[in-house]
Amino acid sequence: KAGVTQTPRYLIKTRGQQVTLSCSPISGHRSVSWYQQTPGQGLQFLFEYFSETQRNKGNFPGRFSGRQFSNSRSEMNVSTLELGDSALYLCASSRDRVDEQFFGPGTRLTVL
Amino acid sequence: GQQLNQSPQSMFIQEGEDVSMNCTSSSIFNTWLWYKQDPGEGPVLLIALYKAGELTSNGRLTAQFGITRKDSFLNISASIPSDVGIYFCAGRSGNTPLVFGKGTRLSVIA
Repeated sequence: KAGVTQTPRYLIKTRGQQVTLSCSPISGHRSVSWYQQTPGQGLQFLFEYFSETQRNKGNFPGRFSGRQFSNSRSEMNVSTLELGDSALYLCASSRDRVDEQFFGPGTRLTVL
Repeated sequence: GQQLNQSPQSMFIQEGEDVSMNCTSSSIFNTWLWYKQDPGEGPVLLIALYKAGELTSNGRLTAQFGITRKDSFLNISASIPSDVGIYFCAGRSGNTPLVFGKGTRLSVIA
């Protein structure tokens, strides 16, 4: 069974731009969660989607948003990028909301 | 946000030695997960624990769900060079988001 895939793997943007990251979960998994990983803050929860509905949201500004489609694929968007948004963005999928989560390889975002 | 206390932060060990690391929380969890992350990659799930007192093995790895439900332990026996990486614990209660420790960086000296 194919694992979680994330595209693109690497992205370079400038301040003020916006970015959209994509995540395809493992087949049959309906829950998708997004995390931001930085050296200083570790893994920080962004949001969780299940059945196309946001179920939980982390403590991030409104510039961070996401959605989930009917095929469980998910996207997250960051608008008006700031230098501090540079991070590894990880997507994780699980069969349902309480099962173990499996991570994708991440998207490395660099904001210049 | 909330984070778990994971220790030690880093370890340097000789190949063949056993390794122990742990995580503690101020909250009760009903799920503990242990992950390993290599540079430039996403975390890989090693062991999942769902019951207080549960002891689960995956090859040379053994993890335990503490009976207080506020801690978990991971042991690696007879370490080898490919064990190098960052190990993360994560916990949750019900449908709440996973909370992660800051990681234990393991270095193995051949």
